Amino acid sequence: GAVVSQHPSRVICKSGTSVKIECRSLDFQATTMFWYRQFPKQSLMLMATSNEGSKATYEQGVEKDKFLINHASLTLSTLTVTSAHPEDSSFYICSARDIDSSYNSPLHFGNGTRLTVT
Amino acid sequence: QKEVEQDPGPLSVPEGAIVSLNCTYSNSAFQYFMWYRQYSRKGPELLMYTYSSGNKEDGRFTAQVDKSSKYISLFIRDSQPSDSATYLCAAMNYGGATNKLIFGTGTLLAVQP
Repeated sequence: GAVVSQHPSRVICKSGTSVKIECRSLDFQATTMFWYRQFPKQSLMLMATSNEGSKATYEQGVEKDKFLINHASLTLSTLTVTSAHPEDSSFYICSARDIDSSYNSPLHFGNGTRLTVT
Repeated sequence: QKEVEQDPGPLSVPEGAIVSLNCTYSNSAFQYFMWYRQYSRKGPELLMYTYSSGNKEDGRFTAQVDKSSKYISLFIRDSQPSDSATYLCAAMNYGGATNKLIFGTGTLLAVQP
């Protein structure tokens, strides 16, 4: 149980284009999903908290106009990297918490999306 | 100072060895502690989840939390080559519906056959 599916697993795009990454909870519902970014040999850095039906909460230093988050249903959150640049190349990972779990329950992660901007 | 500190390694051990992975943290509000395993180009997989101080055992894995010294550990007994991965410690405070999980940098472990 508690499977989080992320798509695509890998994407290469040209500088200036936008890329959408999907995060789905397959066997549970999630009011809250989290988006992380991981640079090579570094830890996961929380970018934003996605709340179903409301605006996402962004961490300090993360541009909300560049990283658009939409959490339209209890099983789907999307992250759109707008006007991508090479410095946005990274490993983006989403996670979700089961709606039936307490807020201190552990997170389940997707398998990540490797974004390469050329 | 990072909220969660972890030696990045790499750590190389022979098959069958006991592995000790450690993290320290600075925020005394952290009450929930996790260990995740991450294989290359994959998302983190939850290994252990503990609350407050104490030990928790699951098969070959034992998680230990010492809140007095702000120290968390993961022990792997009878290590196997399949245990080779990056191990991430993480901590979370007690603060409501949007609790944030703070990760260490991860320790790269290689178990040599």
